[in-house]
Amino acid sequence: EAGVAQSPRYKIIEKRQSVAFWCNPISGHATLYWYQQILGQGPKLLIQFQNNGVVDDSQLPKDRFSAERLKGVDSTLKIQPAKLEDSAVYLCASSLTTVGDSYEQYFGPGTRLTVT
Amino acid sequence: SQKIEQNSEALNIQEGKTATLTCNYTNYSPAYLQWYRQDPGRGPVFLLLIRENEKEKRKERLKVTFDTTLKQSLFHITASQPADSATYLCAISSGSARQLTFGSGTQLTVLP
Repeated sequence: EAGVAQSPRYKIIEKRQSVAFWCNPISGHATLYWYQQILGQGPKLLIQFQNNGVVDDSQLPKDRFSAERLKGVDSTLKIQPAKLEDSAVYLCASSLTTVGDSYEQYFGPGTRLTVT
Repeated sequence: SQKIEQNSEALNIQEGKTATLTCNYTNYSPAYLQWYRQDPGRGPVFLLLIRENEKEKRKERLKVTFDTTLKQSLFHITASQPADSATYLCAISSGSARQLTFGSGTQLTVLP
């Protein structure tokens, strides 16, 4: 079974530029998550999709971050404009979930973003 | 405020010993608690899930306990090996969408 795919693996941009990350979840997984992991911290949930609908985006800085999951499969996360404090690893995860239950999440390798 | 605390940032133990990692939480009512392993440069990998009505869960050399009165979970690795060296993350599942909130992790080093 193929795992969660993410690209690019690394990205370096200057502040105020824009950047986009792509994620392809495990086939058949209805729920997709984007996390931000700053060095030395645990992952922080940015947004959670159930199929192509947003379940939770309470921690997404909506003035600069946006995410979409068209057709309930692939997803993109965009930052525009980037700030220095956005430097982090952005992790995508997917899981088999039904409303009201919890399953293990499968994580991709992440995209390491450096904002200079 | 809500908080998840994992014991000491780093834990060193000798090969063959049992490693015990602690996860304490405040102001949560978790339905589930999960443990993940993360190696440098990689995404977390799921290890175990324990529900609020379960006291203990085992998987091979791993054991997790969950005490909702103490608001604490303990994660044990028995007969530890150098290959067990990694960062271990606990995560609380709560809310209507069962969102995961992660602790900051404990870096475990098993010395040969």
